[in-house]
Amino acid sequence: GAGVSQSPSNKVTEKGKDVELRCDPISGHTALYWYRQSLGQGLEFLIYFQGNSAPDKSGLPSDRFSAERTGGSVSTLTIQRTQQEDSAVYLCASSPPGGVGEKLFFGSGTQLSVL
Amino acid sequence: DQQVKQNSPSLSVQEGRISILNCDYTNSMFDYFLWYKKYPAEGPTFLISISSIKDKNEDGRFTVFLNKSAKHLSLHIVPSQPGDSAVYFCASDTGRRALTFGSGTRLQVQP
Repeated sequence: GAGVSQSPSNKVTEKGKDVELRCDPISGHTALYWYRQSLGQGLEFLIYFQGNSAPDKSGLPSDRFSAERTGGSVSTLTIQRTQQEDSAVYLCASSPPGGVGEKLFFGSGTQLSVL
Repeated sequence: DQQVKQNSPSLSVQEGRISILNCDYTNSMFDYFLWYKKYPAEGPTFLISISSIKDKNEDGRFTVFLNKSAKHLSLHIVPSQPGDSAVYFCASDTGRRALTFGSGTRLQVQP
């Protein structure tokens, strides 16, 4: 596809369950980002992958959150033992090779609801 | 500690008038600023950017102004159109490798 693809678009889960969110970036984009937007809040940075470098995990809110990027392409964000405060829209973005400040291309997001 | 702040959560303007969205930042070392636009159920899309070596950048109906001494930037939309109704986020390169976003301003343009 031409854009960043995220799946599922919606996920409803029970408190305490684990969830996996998937992101397919734009082909050729070396950088991949995860953000989340809680209700009424701005975009909160979670994690950043750039090529083969070690990811910047500084935005992950707790050790229940983890992410991996396989083969420099698809990424999976995993939330273990979900809590109600994890409910948010999880947005993935990718960007082409370049310096800082490059434009991000976002997917439509995964709406996560933890009951 | 919010490094990029949008203090107005919402703004309503009449079609044809000017919309002015504001953003403040805390670190004078920030050197690149961007505005993103977000419609419901869609991801944000890039709108316009400005480097700290400039104080103005214009693209059609959209102009971004940067006041470095005040650590303030603004987005002007002239004339505003109903299709401009969306949430607008300002963002900055804050020295980390990912952009830092403000909390957004919801713009509603009344026909």
